[in-house]
Amino acid sequence: GEDVEQSLFLSVREGDSSVINCTYTDSSSTYLYWYKQEPGAGLQLLTYIFSNMDMKQDQRLTVLLNKKDKHLSLRIADTQTGDSAIYFCAESSTGGFKTIFGAGTRLFVKA
Amino acid sequence: DTEVTQTPKHLVMGMTNKKSLKCEQHMGHRAMYWYKQKAKKPPELMFVYSYEKLSINESVPSRFSPECPNSSLLNLHLHALQPEDSALYLCASRELAGGNEQFFGPGTRLTVL
Repeated sequence: GEDVEQSLFLSVREGDSSVINCTYTDSSSTYLYWYKQEPGAGLQLLTYIFSNMDMKQDQRLTVLLNKKDKHLSLRIADTQTGDSAIYFCAESSTGGFKTIFGAGTRLFVKA
Repeated sequence: DTEVTQTPKHLVMGMTNKKSLKCEQHMGHRAMYWYKQKAKKPPELMFVYSYEKLSINESVPSRFSPECPNSSLLNLHLHALQPEDSALYLCASRELAGGNEQFFGPGTRLTVL
């Protein structure tokens, strides 16, 4: 069945880069997403990438997709304390209603 | 208007109470979702409506009753809940043509006593 896996924790120092990794199993995945959730809040869509792309950059965020290995990563440059949150990797297929979420990676940013 | 709103923000109810959660979006999205999220877990899909019709019910107990009165509104009626139903309830919407990305509301924090 479909599955999305992420490491549970990542700790970085303020100003360093953070890299959050994700693997997925569904080869028909068309869209891959990164959501951010701060404590007590809903999920905020940070960025997404189509499966026919290798990379997408948006300001401090860089998404890399290795479709062969079904591996997705999110790099946050110059990580700030405000980036401390849970980051969910997710995937969906064209025409499908469901989005499959990973367990989330909790990012701690030390000042 | 590019947001999904949910009311109330917090709700405390007893196991014999009847209450409703409300969700609204004005982005013209024709798919709307209810998710349940327990602490430190990903969201779990409960229901999906497309064009105001129930498309997916993920075997949710009947004490949760969804309703989609029009294309902008989504309700979740609650009755005879259990303490283990305490969670963050998230609403989301997406357009059915174009991108698959879902936009989430801030959630309702529900506590069942």
